[in-house]
Amino acid sequence: KAGVTQTPRYLIKTRGQQVTLSCSPISGHRSVSWYQQTPGQGLQFLFEYFSETQRNKGNFPGRFSGRQFSNSRSEMNVSTLELGDSALYLCASSNLAGGNNEQFFGPGTRLTVL
Amino acid sequence: SQQGEEDPQALSIQEGENATMNCSYKTSINNLQWYRQNSGRGLVHLILIRSNEREKHSGRLRVTLDTSKKSSSLLITASRAADTASYFCASRRAGGTSYGKLTFGQGTILTVHP
Repeated sequence: KAGVTQTPRYLIKTRGQQVTLSCSPISGHRSVSWYQQTPGQGLQFLFEYFSETQRNKGNFPGRFSGRQFSNSRSEMNVSTLELGDSALYLCASSNLAGGNNEQFFGPGTRLTVL
Repeated sequence: SQQGEEDPQALSIQEGENATMNCSYKTSINNLQWYRQNSGRGLVHLILIRSNEREKHSGRLRVTLDTSKKSSSLLITASRAADTASYFCASRRAGGTSYGKLTFGQGTILTVHP
């Protein structure tokens, strides 16, 4: 089974621009979660999608948004980029079988905002 | 903000020695998971322990959970240079709809010298 894939792997943007990151979960997984990782704040939960519905959202401003498609692929969008948005963005998928939520992570998208 | 705290922040050992990392969390949990991350790449799922379990083994890994102390430990036996990585604990909060949401600790950086 193929793992979680994320595109692009690296991205450089300038302040004020917007960016869209993509995540394809493991086949059969319907839950997709997004996390931001920075040296200062560590790993922080952004949001979770299940069956095209946002089920949970972390403490991030409205500039961060996401969506999930019928094939479970997910995108996240960051508008009006700030320098502090530079981070590794990780996507994880889970099948939530038996109430477990083992998250399988993709390689991440490293976003640099100049 | 991170719910969990990990200790130590960094650990340096020789190949063949055992490595123990500790994690504390603040709220009641459904389960706790451990992940490994190599050099800013994606997270690799190591092991999941449910709140009603006290100990779990997987190969050279042993995880314990003490819900009365809200703490967990990860033991890696007979360490290898390839175990060099950052290790994170992540908890799923009990109750609610946080199925896919994990709260991560700050991580322990493990260095195994050959």
